Amino acid sequence: GAVVSQHPSRVICKSGTSVKIECRSLDFQATTMFWYRQFPKQSLMLMATSNEGSKATYEQGVEKDKFLINHASLTLSTLTVTSAHPEDSSFYICSARDEGYEQYFGPGTRLTVT
Amino acid sequence: QKEVEQNSGPLSVPEGAIASLNCTYSDRGSQSFFWYRQYSGKSPELIMSIYSNGDKEDGRFTAQLNKASQYVSLLIRDSQPSDSATYLCAVHFMDSNYQLIWGAGTKLIIKP
Repeated sequence: GAVVSQHPSRVICKSGTSVKIECRSLDFQATTMFWYRQFPKQSLMLMATSNEGSKATYEQGVEKDKFLINHASLTLSTLTVTSAHPEDSSFYICSARDEGYEQYFGPGTRLTVT
Repeated sequence: QKEVEQNSGPLSVPEGAIASLNCTYSDRGSQSFFWYRQYSGKSPELIMSIYSNGDKEDGRFTAQLNKASQYVSLLIRDSQPSDSATYLCAVHFMDSNYQLIWGAGTKLIIKP
């Protein structure tokens, strides 16, 4: 149980384009989903928290107009990186929770912006 | 300030020995504690959760919680090379909505 999928696993895009990443909870209803970013050899950094049907809460320093989050259903959240630039290249990971506080992670998306 | 502290390591342990990973946290009111394992290039994977003082065992893993001293530890018995990974401690603080506060992780190396 508690399986989270994430697509795509890898994406390469050109500078200035937008990229959408999907996160799905496959066998449970995710009341809250989280989006993290992780640079090589660094800690997880929480970008935003989203609850189904409401606006995401972004962490300080994360541009909400650049990183658009939509949590349209209890099993799906999307992160769109708009006008991506090379400095946005990173490992993006989503996680989801159902009733407890533990989070279950998707496999991550490695974004490379050229 | 909500903080979770871990020694970054690397912690090197011979195969077959016990690996001991430690984590301290700043808020006495915390109730929920988690250990995650992250292999290089992969996402974190939940391995243990603990909510009350004492020990909790699951296979080769034992989580230990001491709320009075504000630390939580993870013991790995009979360490295997496949246990080599970064181990992340995460704590739910009472007033942090549903977010977890993460330690920076301890890199564990099991030497054959």
